[in-house]
Amino acid sequence: DTGVSQDPRHKITKRGQNVTFRCDPISEHNRLYWYRQTLGQGPEFLTYFQNEAQLEKSRLLSDRFSAERPKGSFSTLEIQRTEQGDSAMYLCASSLVKAGELFFGEGSRLTVL
Amino acid sequence: AQKVTQAQTEISVVEKEDVTLDCVYETRDTTYYLFWYKQPPSGELVFLIRRNSFDEQNEISGRYSWNFQKSTSSFNFTITASQVVDSAVYFCALSETNQGGKLIFGQGTELSVKP
Repeated sequence: DTGVSQDPRHKITKRGQNVTFRCDPISEHNRLYWYRQTLGQGPEFLTYFQNEAQLEKSRLLSDRFSAERPKGSFSTLEIQRTEQGDSAMYLCASSLVKAGELFFGEGSRLTVL
Repeated sequence: AQKVTQAQTEISVVEKEDVTLDCVYETRDTTYYLFWYKQPPSGELVFLIRRNSFDEQNEISGRYSWNFQKSTSSFNFTITASQVVDSAVYFCALSETNQGGKLIFGQGTELSVKP
């Protein structure tokens, strides 16, 4: 399978715990995006990388959130001290060129109890 | 500021009916891209079409067609002879060329096609 893969697919955690999601983009894609989607809403942009450089962060990305893309390959999104409002689907996407088609993974669903 | 509005939250049709999903966008850029994605119950977003702001030709792909009108800032999507498998949430999205390629999504339209 050469699509975007995300892990884990589901995560249930208690409030206050830290969680980390991983995204493996399509191998030749140099752009990687993180989105968050809550029930009944469209995906909301969180941050994106071009290669290993994080070029933009949304104001939605509080200081409890951090994303990395070491060596410009896979990426991780960490949420520290989770809150119930963090419960959502976290989507990763990659693309080959700017303004090109984004290929999405199946998402990582987070439930914070 | 960029914004995408999909005013129709839910649409329900009977199989074989034609259905149009509306999308209105706002942007200050003269160069931008518009997209439609499908999100079936399985959850993965599936790309349907990408259109740049300089190409106002309508496009048809099988039962799908798209009508892009810059004068009204709209990019509407029509499914002809709908089928049960078309049931999904459909998202319209905007990408501005000076925004790094990120997509701004509308809230989506949930289409239910009943047999």
